[in-house]
Amino acid sequence: NAGVTQTPKFQVLKTGQSMTLQCAQDMNHEYMSWYRQDPGMGLRLIHYSVGAGITDQGEVPNGYNVSRSTTEDFPLRLLSAAPSQTSVYFCASSYSRAGTDLDSTDTQYFGPGTRLTVL
Amino acid sequence: KNQVEQSPQSLIILEGKNCTLQCNYTVSPFSNLRWYKQDTGRGPVSLTIMTFSENTKSNGRYTATLDADTKQSSLHITASQLSDSASYICVVSGYNNNDMRFGAGTRLTVKP
Repeated sequence: NAGVTQTPKFQVLKTGQSMTLQCAQDMNHEYMSWYRQDPGMGLRLIHYSVGAGITDQGEVPNGYNVSRSTTEDFPLRLLSAAPSQTSVYFCASSYSRAGTDLDSTDTQYFGPGTRLTVL
Repeated sequence: KNQVEQSPQSLIILEGKNCTLQCNYTVSPFSNLRWYKQDTGRGPVSLTIMTFSENTKSNGRYTATLDADTKQSSLHITASQLSDSASYICVVSGYNNNDMRFGAGTRLTVKP
């Protein structure tokens, strides 16, 4: 199993440009999510999906779009990049909505991250 | 105020020594608490997961403890190795919350 993969690993954008961060998992996980990690702060949830065709907003969704057409893929789109979106982005997956379902202790697997710089 | 506070922010120890990292949380009602290890330039990797009824969980040289009454957890690392150099992140989940709450992490450096 490749686990959770993310591309690209690094990206530099100019303000106003758009791009898509790719995320894929080969573990047949229903739950996938996107986080951003900023210095001195904990990871924050951007968007998540509980299955193909179902997505919802997390804590910091503004400026980002997601879709889930297949179980395997969960791309994150930046519509018009802003310097405030400079961050490291992590995709994660698990069998269930790890940590939020009653008695769920499913392991959450993270991808290697995408470091994004917006100039 | 973050619902998950970790201390210290950073720690330097010598190889072979033990150390303990702290996590205090206010997330309520509590569901479970996780510790992750994050190497530089990598994604977090799960170390332990504890529910309300568990007060200790081990994974090799890593032992996590949980006191749900005082809302505190600790991660104890025994006989540290150079490869233990990483950030350690505490994550707390509550019932019926939309997501998990991540601490900012403790950056551990193990020196030879």
